[in-house]
Amino acid sequence: DAGVTQSPTHLIKTRGQHVTLRCSPISGHKSVSWYQQVLGQGPQFIFQYYEKEERGRGNFPDRFSARQFPNYSSELNVNALLLGDSALYLCASSNRVNNEQFFGPGTRLTVL
Amino acid sequence: GENVEQHPSTLSVQEGDSAVIKCTYSDSASNYFPWYKQELGKRPQLIIDIRSNVGEKKDQRIAVTLNKTAKHFSLHITETQPEDSAVYFCAAFVQGGSEKLVFGKGMKLTVNP
Repeated sequence: DAGVTQSPTHLIKTRGQHVTLRCSPISGHKSVSWYQQVLGQGPQFIFQYYEKEERGRGNFPDRFSARQFPNYSSELNVNALLLGDSALYLCASSNRVNNEQFFGPGTRLTVL
Repeated sequence: GENVEQHPSTLSVQEGDSAVIKCTYSDSASNYFPWYKQELGKRPQLIIDIRSNVGEKKDQRIAVTLNKTAKHFSLHITETQPEDSAVYFCAAFVQGGSEKLVFGKGMKLTVNP
């Protein structure tokens, strides 16, 4: 039984570019959340999606957007990249029954 | 807003000693408190959790306690081993407009052989 998967594993971009990160939740999980983890800090909540609808947004600028597809996979998009967007981007899936969230391996984004 | 404070930020112990990590949270509506272990370059792994209707939970060498009145929760690791070395994060689950985990800043645990 596969866990949460994310792609790509690593990504290098330059300032001003755009990036799309992808996540597939655990089979049967309909909720996907995105977190940003800057080096040396705890993960920070970006978005939650459930049943293809945005259910929550953290304190991130409008350059960050996301969506969820009918198969419950999700994409996180970041426009006009800044150096400060360099981080590990984590996707977490949940069945929303017992609040447990399981993290994917993350995508390491480096902005030069 | 919601906030989770975690301390200490680093801890170094000898193998076999105990380690304690303490967290406080701000949102009194939080009812689920997971702990994650993150090894270098890897994802956070859920190691234990506790819910607001329970005061203590134990799983082998790991135990968590929760004091809802004081909004404190703690992780205790006994008989530490070198493979326990990692960064540990506490988190509080917040519901309302969105469902999200609010994390502490993490504690780097080093267990010396």
